[in-house]
Amino acid sequence: QVQLQESGPGLVKPSQTLSLTCTVSGGSISSGGYYWSWIRQHPGKGLEWIGYIYYSGSTYYNPSLKSRVTISVDTSKNQFSLKLSSVTAADTAVYYCARDSVVAARGDWFDPWGQGTLVTVSS
Amino acid sequence: DIQMTQSPSSLSASVGDRVTITCRASQSISSYLNWYQQKPGKAPKLLIYAASSLQSGVPSRFSGSGSGTDFTLTISSLQPEDFATYYCQQSYSTPPVTFGQGTRLEIK
Repeated sequence: QVQLQESGPGLVKPSQTLSLTCTVSGGSISSGGYYWSWIRQHPGKGLEWIGYIYYSGSTYYNPSLKSRVTISVDTSKNQFSLKLSSVTAADTAVYYCARDSVVAARGDWFDPWGQGTLVTVSS
Repeated sequence: DIQMTQSPSSLSASVGDRVTITCRASQSISSYLNWYQQKPGKAPKLLIYAASSLQSGVPSRFSGSGSGTDFTLTISSLQPEDFATYYCQQSYSTPPVTFGQGTRLEIK
């Protein structure tokens, strides 16, 4: 079955760029019908959708983060990545990658998810 | 953006109880509503998609219903492993995808 795994630095300095990669195994990121997503969760808080990408490179971002977010895909490595620029302490969160299944007239849903990675923004 | 409001925010119940969690959307979202379960330190897990479809492998004691603006997640007979936080999520009008604030289900 498809599995996702986040990787990247666990500590980022304020004003720098947070960079994470999600490696997909057990299936191809180029499979149609799926978007590849980033979602974050501030400590003790709820879930915030960051954005997603299709294997073709089409992206959709949360308007609240759009000016700072870039999501890219590398189909040759079966990976997709997140860059969040100009980070502050408010960006400290657990970052999850997830596959978004899209079904016409039924919507879309996130499954499976990676285990998540805590990124702390601190000097 | 479509706002999702869950009630209650927290709930205490006993093993064997029937539990219902409600999710209300700020505008109609048809049946574009999903439910997730999250245990401490773990990623969310998809339980219900498209309002009432049970995800493969999820026990049948979980069920979902509703359409338009009002939705419910029901656990027919609580098991010890069901104590967790539950989130609803809409995919009707995106971006952005939005989640409810969560309902924490605790042992009484």
